[in-house]
Amino acid sequence: AQSVSQHNHHVILSEAASLELGCNYSYGGTVNLFWYVQYPGQHLQLLLKYFSGDPLVKGIKGFEAEFIKSKFSFNLRKPSVQWSDTAEYFCAVNPPGRRALTFGSGTRLQVQP
Amino acid sequence: DSGVTQTPKHLITATGQRVTLRCSPRSGDLSVYWYQQSLDQGLQFLIQYYNGEERAKGNILERFSAQQFPDLHSELNLSSLELGDSALYFCASSVERSSTDTQYFGPGTRLTVL
Repeated sequence: AQSVSQHNHHVILSEAASLELGCNYSYGGTVNLFWYVQYPGQHLQLLLKYFSGDPLVKGIKGFEAEFIKSKFSFNLRKPSVQWSDTAEYFCAVNPPGRRALTFGSGTRLQVQP
Repeated sequence: DSGVTQTPKHLITATGQRVTLRCSPRSGDLSVYWYQQSLDQGLQFLIQYYNGEERAKGNILERFSAQQFPDLHSELNLSSLELGDSALYFCASSVERSSTDTQYFGPGTRLTVL
């Protein structure tokens, strides 16, 4: 089935460690790609998005993501995490021809001070 | 603050009951999406309305329905509630001018069915 996969379900890091969260999708054709963050008790906030062009996308709060078409991947990175980055991170895709988002299962990031 | 508002924030009800969740999109956005977030199913798309018309359907149960009013606010109606309907219900809105629109999410309504 066509889907979005986030392989890391729970990640624990110390402050200042580097972060990379994996996201793979299985749709062919042109897709739009997003990373959303959900802080505890809050709503989903857009971190960054990719529609076309430069495959390295910079978002808010020092996050970036790289689209690798050949690998159907859109991994999220941050060079140095902070305690305030503790949250759940969702990768999402607009499948071709559809406006609704298909989400991955989410990755819970816990940053220890 | 995304500009999308949802009421109520929390809703506790009993099995078999019916509830209505409300969403007001960002100013200027014509499209409203409803998503359900549950522990076992994750985040799933339910239904989309655009300028008052149903545009797309996802994994929405027949017991659930939605509508979008002329002022563009939307309501999600959940009936014959079951324990498994307990979840966080989000709405999102977008301008819907192109295929590269971004959806902005509201704070959600947490529904607990007892």
